[in-house]
Amino acid sequence: AQSVSQHNHHVILSEAASLELGCNYSYGGTVNLFWYVQYPGQHLQLLLKYFSGDPLVKGIKGFEAEFIKSKFSFNLRKPSVQWSDTAEYFCAVSSGTYKYIFGTGTRLKVLA
Amino acid sequence: GAVVSQHPSRVICKSGTSVKIECRSLDFQATTMFWYRQFPKQSLMLMATSNEGSKATYEQGVEKDKFLINHASLTLSTLTVTSAHPEDSSFYICSASRGLAGYNEQFFGPGTRLTVL
Repeated sequence: AQSVSQHNHHVILSEAASLELGCNYSYGGTVNLFWYVQYPGQHLQLLLKYFSGDPLVKGIKGFEAEFIKSKFSFNLRKPSVQWSDTAEYFCAVSSGTYKYIFGTGTRLKVLA
Repeated sequence: GAVVSQHPSRVICKSGTSVKIECRSLDFQATTMFWYRQFPKQSLMLMATSNEGSKATYEQGVEKDKFLINHASLTLSTLTVTSAHPEDSSFYICSASRGLAGYNEQFFGPGTRLTVL
């Protein structure tokens, strides 16, 4: 069965620090990959997605992610976080069916 | 564009009653709608997938008779929690997709907090 792992459950950073959130999946075939963000009290929003092509994907708000097929990973990065990035981040994987499998989420707190 | 709304945002009901939650795509036609359940500090668990005019496809372990899903039009899907009990208390989130969601983005609603007393 497919699964998605986000190893960092809680991350606390100071403003301007660099961020990397891990996402690993278990599926051997072609995958579509997503990162969603959920700000406090708001609904899930798409940060970025990967379907094919350049494995380095740039999203909104300065976020990017790199798909490394050999490592089954799709880590999210941001060079310099802001207080407003405080939120919960979810990685999701789709294997070509219509379903998304979500990771357990990472709660990021950025200290001003 | 691509806004999804849910109503109500919060509902409190007595045990044994039924609760209906609406999910609407406001500015696009949703070929497929999804219903998720999110427990505190946990991920989203897919409950079912619905296509307009078809019966919903439920995930393993989800009771079809307990969670009734209707996708009557390309902009509206409803989830009815029948004979709700305290263990059904949760955060229910819907999403909508223009096509095959594996190839298209899912747009999420703001969620509905259900509390069963």
